Amino acid sequence: RKEVEQDPGPFNVPEGATVAFNCTYSNSASQSFFWYRQDCRKEPKLLMSVYSSGNEDGRFTAQLNRASQYISLLIRDSKLSDSATYLCAVNGYGGATNKLIFGTGTLLAVQP
Amino acid sequence: EAEVAQSPRYKITEKSQAVAFWCDPISGHATLYWYRQILGQGPELLVQFQDESVVDDSQLPKDRFSAERLKGVDSTLKIQPAELGDSAMYLCASSSRSGVQSTEAFFGQGTRLTVV
Repeated sequence: RKEVEQDPGPFNVPEGATVAFNCTYSNSASQSFFWYRQDCRKEPKLLMSVYSSGNEDGRFTAQLNRASQYISLLIRDSKLSDSATYLCAVNGYGGATNKLIFGTGTLLAVQP
Repeated sequence: EAEVAQSPRYKITEKSQAVAFWCDPISGHATLYWYRQILGQGPELLVQFQDESVVDDSQLPKDRFSAERLKGVDSTLKIQPAELGDSAMYLCASSSRSGVQSTEAFFGQGTRLTVV
Protein backbone atom coordinates (compact mmCIF):
# COMPACT_ATOMS: atom_id res chain seq x y z
CA ARG A 1 0.00 0.00 0.00
CA LYS A 2 1.31 3.45 -0.88
CA GLU A 3 1.97 5.82 2.00
CA VAL A 4 -0.20 8.56 0.49
CA GLU A 5 -2.86 7.83 -2.11
CA GLN A 6 -5.00 10.07 -4.28
CA ASP A 7 -7.42 9.49 -7.12
CA PRO A 8 -5.51 10.81 -10.14
CA GLY A 9 -8.72 11.91 -11.89
CA PRO A 10 -9.22 13.82 -14.05
CA PHE A 11 -12.17 15.49 -12.43
CA ASN A 12 -14.02 17.40 -15.14
CA VAL A 13 -16.50 19.84 -13.60
CA PRO A 14 -18.45 22.84 -14.91
CA GLU A 15 -17.80 26.34 -13.65
CA GLY A 16 -19.63 27.01 -10.42
CA ALA A 17 -19.65 23.38 -9.33
CA THR A 18 -18.51 22.08 -5.97
CA VAL A 19 -15.83 19.41 -6.10
CA ALA A 20 -14.13 17.38 -3.40
CA PHE A 21 -10.93 15.36 -3.33
CA ASN A 22 -9.77 12.86 -0.77
CA CYS A 23 -6.29 11.72 0.14
CA THR A 24 -5.63 8.67 2.29
CA TYR A 25 -2.48 8.07 4.31
CA SER A 26 -1.14 4.88 5.82
CA ASN A 27 0.80 6.07 8.86
CA SER A 28 -1.51 6.69 11.79
CA ALA A 29 1.29 8.61 13.56
CA SER A 30 1.31 11.36 10.92
CA GLN A 31 0.76 14.79 12.42
CA SER A 32 1.11 17.33 9.63
CA PHE A 33 -0.99 17.53 6.49
CA PHE A 34 -1.00 19.91 3.56
CA TRP A 35 -2.66 20.57 0.24
CA TYR A 36 -0.60 21.94 -2.65
CA ARG A 37 -1.63 23.19 -6.06
CA GLN A 38 0.56 22.51 -9.08
CA ASP A 39 0.06 24.08 -12.48
CA CYS A 40 1.38 22.28 -15.55
CA ARG A 41 5.19 22.24 -15.58
CA LYS A 42 5.39 24.52 -12.54
CA GLU A 43 6.46 23.88 -8.98
CA PRO A 44 3.91 22.90 -6.30
CA LYS A 45 2.62 25.83 -4.30
CA LEU A 46 1.14 25.56 -0.85
CA LEU A 47 -2.62 25.91 -0.91
CA MET A 48 -3.37 25.30 2.75
CA SER A 49 -2.36 23.39 5.83
CA VAL A 50 -4.87 20.96 7.28
CA TYR A 51 -5.54 21.26 10.98
CA SER A 52 -7.38 18.87 13.24
CA SER A 53 -10.20 21.38 13.47
CA GLY A 54 -10.32 21.86 9.72
CA ASN A 55 -9.29 24.89 7.75
CA GLU A 56 -11.21 27.23 5.47
CA ASP A 57 -9.85 29.85 3.09
CA GLY A 58 -12.46 31.47 0.91
CA ARG A 59 -13.86 28.85 -1.43
CA PHE A 60 -11.49 26.17 -0.17
CA THR A 61 -12.09 23.95 2.85
CA ALA A 62 -9.74 21.26 4.10
CA GLN A 63 -10.60 18.64 6.69
CA LEU A 64 -8.84 15.86 8.50
CA ASN A 65 -10.40 12.54 9.46
CA ARG A 66 -7.95 10.77 11.74
CA ALA A 67 -10.17 7.76 12.38
CA SER A 68 -10.31 6.89 8.70
CA GLN A 69 -6.88 8.35 7.92
CA TYR A 70 -7.76 10.73 5.16
CA ILE A 71 -7.75 14.42 4.41
CA SER A 72 -10.14 16.17 2.09
CA LEU A 73 -10.25 19.33 0.01
CA LEU A 74 -13.52 20.93 -0.97
CA ILE A 75 -13.67 23.62 -3.63
CA ARG A 76 -16.89 25.58 -3.91
CA ASP A 77 -18.00 27.70 -6.87
CA SER A 78 -15.23 26.35 -9.12
CA LYS A 79 -13.48 28.83 -11.40
CA LEU A 80 -11.67 28.15 -14.65
CA SER A 81 -8.51 29.26 -12.87
CA ASP A 82 -8.87 26.41 -10.38
CA SER A 83 -7.85 23.97 -13.12
CA ALA A 84 -4.64 22.37 -11.85
CA THR A 85 -3.28 19.30 -10.12
CA TYR A 86 -3.93 19.16 -6.39
CA LEU A 87 -1.31 17.34 -4.34
CA CYS A 88 -1.68 16.24 -0.77
CA ALA A 89 1.37 15.95 1.48
CA VAL A 90 1.72 14.09 4.75
CA ASN A 91 4.63 13.74 7.12
CA GLY A 92 5.40 10.08 6.81
CA TYR A 93 6.56 8.69 10.10
CA GLY A 94 6.43 9.31 13.80
CA GLY A 95 9.71 10.29 15.37
CA ALA A 96 12.50 12.73 14.72
CA THR A 97 13.12 12.08 11.06
CA ASN A 98 9.77 12.57 9.44
CA LYS A 99 9.62 12.62 5.69
CA LEU A 100 7.20 14.82 3.79
CA ILE A 101 5.49 12.45 1.38
CA PHE A 102 3.33 13.52 -1.53
CA GLY A 103 0.50 11.79 -3.28
CA THR A 104 0.38 11.44 -7.03
CA GLY A 105 -2.00 14.38 -7.35
CA THR A 106 -5.57 14.80 -8.57
CA LEU A 107 -6.11 16.61 -11.84
CA LEU A 108 -8.99 19.08 -11.87
CA ALA A 109 -10.32 20.52 -15.13
CA VAL A 110 -13.00 23.18 -14.76
CA GLN A 111 -15.02 23.55 -17.95
CA PRO A 112 -16.72 26.76 -19.13
CA GLU B 1 8.80 37.43 -0.30
CA ALA B 2 11.52 34.89 0.49
CA GLU B 3 11.97 32.20 -2.12
CA VAL B 4 13.84 28.98 -2.69
CA ALA B 5 16.37 29.53 -5.46
CA GLN B 6 17.33 26.76 -7.86
CA SER B 7 19.64 26.65 -10.83
CA PRO B 8 19.79 25.90 -13.63
CA ARG B 9 16.12 26.06 -14.68
CA TYR B 10 16.73 23.73 -17.60
CA LYS B 11 19.50 21.26 -18.34
CA ILE B 12 20.06 19.00 -21.33
CA THR B 13 22.82 16.47 -20.98
CA GLU B 14 24.00 13.38 -22.76
CA LYS B 15 23.72 10.05 -21.03
CA SER B 16 26.81 9.04 -19.08
CA GLN B 17 27.68 12.67 -18.40
CA ALA B 18 27.70 14.27 -14.98
CA VAL B 19 25.15 16.90 -14.01
CA ALA B 20 24.68 19.02 -10.90
CA PHE B 21 21.82 21.06 -9.52
CA TRP B 22 22.02 23.81 -6.92
CA CYS B 23 19.51 24.97 -4.34
CA ASP B 24 19.50 27.87 -1.90
CA PRO B 25 16.66 27.50 0.62
CA ILE B 26 14.73 30.24 2.34
CA SER B 27 16.98 31.92 4.88
CA GLY B 28 16.76 30.28 8.27
CA HIS B 29 15.09 27.11 7.05
CA ALA B 30 16.81 24.15 8.65
CA THR B 31 15.13 21.45 6.59
CA LEU B 32 15.92 21.01 2.92
CA TYR B 33 14.36 18.45 0.59
CA TRP B 34 15.25 17.25 -2.89
CA TYR B 35 12.39 15.70 -4.85
CA ARG B 36 12.20 14.17 -8.31
CA GLN B 37 8.98 14.49 -10.25
CA ILE B 38 8.23 12.58 -13.41
CA LEU B 39 5.46 13.99 -15.58
CA GLY B 40 2.08 12.81 -14.38
CA GLN B 41 3.35 11.68 -10.99
CA GLY B 42 3.73 13.25 -7.59
CA PRO B 43 7.07 14.48 -6.21
CA GLU B 44 9.23 11.61 -4.95
CA LEU B 45 11.50 12.40 -2.03
CA LEU B 46 15.16 11.69 -2.83
CA VAL B 47 16.93 13.17 0.18
CA GLN B 48 16.10 15.24 3.25
CA PHE B 49 18.58 17.34 5.21
CA GLN B 50 18.28 18.74 8.69
CA ASP B 51 20.91 21.47 8.77
CA GLU B 52 24.00 19.79 7.26
CA SER B 53 22.98 16.23 8.12
CA VAL B 54 21.16 13.78 5.91
CA VAL B 55 18.13 12.51 7.81
CA ASP B 56 16.71 10.40 5.00
CA ASP B 57 18.12 9.25 1.69
CA SER B 58 16.39 5.89 1.47
CA GLN B 59 15.07 6.61 -2.05
CA LEU B 60 18.29 8.12 -3.40
CA PRO B 61 19.99 5.88 -6.01
CA LYS B 62 23.34 6.07 -4.32
CA ASP B 63 25.27 4.39 -7.08
CA ARG B 64 24.83 7.48 -9.22
CA PHE B 65 23.27 10.23 -7.10
CA SER B 66 24.90 12.24 -4.35
CA ALA B 67 23.76 15.22 -2.32
CA GLU B 68 25.47 17.53 0.09
CA ARG B 69 24.70 20.54 2.23
CA LEU B 70 28.12 21.27 3.65
CA LYS B 71 27.43 24.38 5.71
CA GLY B 72 23.79 23.69 6.34
CA VAL B 73 22.64 26.36 3.93
CA ASP B 74 22.70 25.73 0.17
CA SER B 75 22.78 22.27 -1.32
CA THR B 76 23.96 20.45 -4.43
CA LEU B 77 22.49 17.32 -5.99
CA LYS B 78 24.70 15.47 -8.44
CA ILE B 79 24.08 12.68 -10.90
CA GLN B 80 26.99 10.77 -12.38
CA PRO B 81 26.57 9.15 -14.83
CA ALA B 82 23.20 10.39 -16.05
CA GLU B 83 20.83 7.86 -17.59
CA LEU B 84 17.88 8.36 -19.92
CA GLY B 85 15.50 7.46 -17.09
CA ASP B 86 16.76 10.39 -15.01
CA SER B 87 14.87 12.84 -17.21
CA ALA B 88 12.50 14.59 -14.82
CA MET B 89 11.90 17.77 -12.84
CA TYR B 90 14.18 18.07 -9.82
CA LEU B 91 12.57 20.14 -7.11
CA CYS B 92 14.16 21.59 -4.02
CA ALA B 93 12.03 22.61 -1.06
CA SER B 94 12.70 23.96 2.41
CA SER B 95 10.83 24.25 5.66
CA SER B 96 11.59 25.83 8.98
CA ARG B 97 10.97 22.65 10.88
CA SER B 98 10.49 18.97 10.30
CA GLY B 99 9.58 16.25 12.73
CA VAL B 100 6.28 15.50 14.34
CA GLN B 101 4.97 19.03 13.96
CA SER B 102 6.55 19.78 10.61
CA THR B 103 5.80 23.08 8.96
CA GLU B 104 4.87 23.59 5.36
CA ALA B 105 7.53 23.20 2.70
CA PHE B 106 8.14 25.83 0.03
CA PHE B 107 9.43 24.85 -3.39
CA GLY B 108 11.85 26.38 -5.83
CA GLN B 109 10.99 26.57 -9.52
CA GLY B 110 12.80 23.32 -10.18
CA THR B 111 15.37 22.13 -12.69
CA ARG B 112 13.98 20.33 -15.69
CA LEU B 113 16.53 17.72 -16.76
CA THR B 114 16.51 16.07 -20.15
CA VAL B 115 18.97 13.26 -20.77
CA VAL B 116 19.57 12.46 -24.44
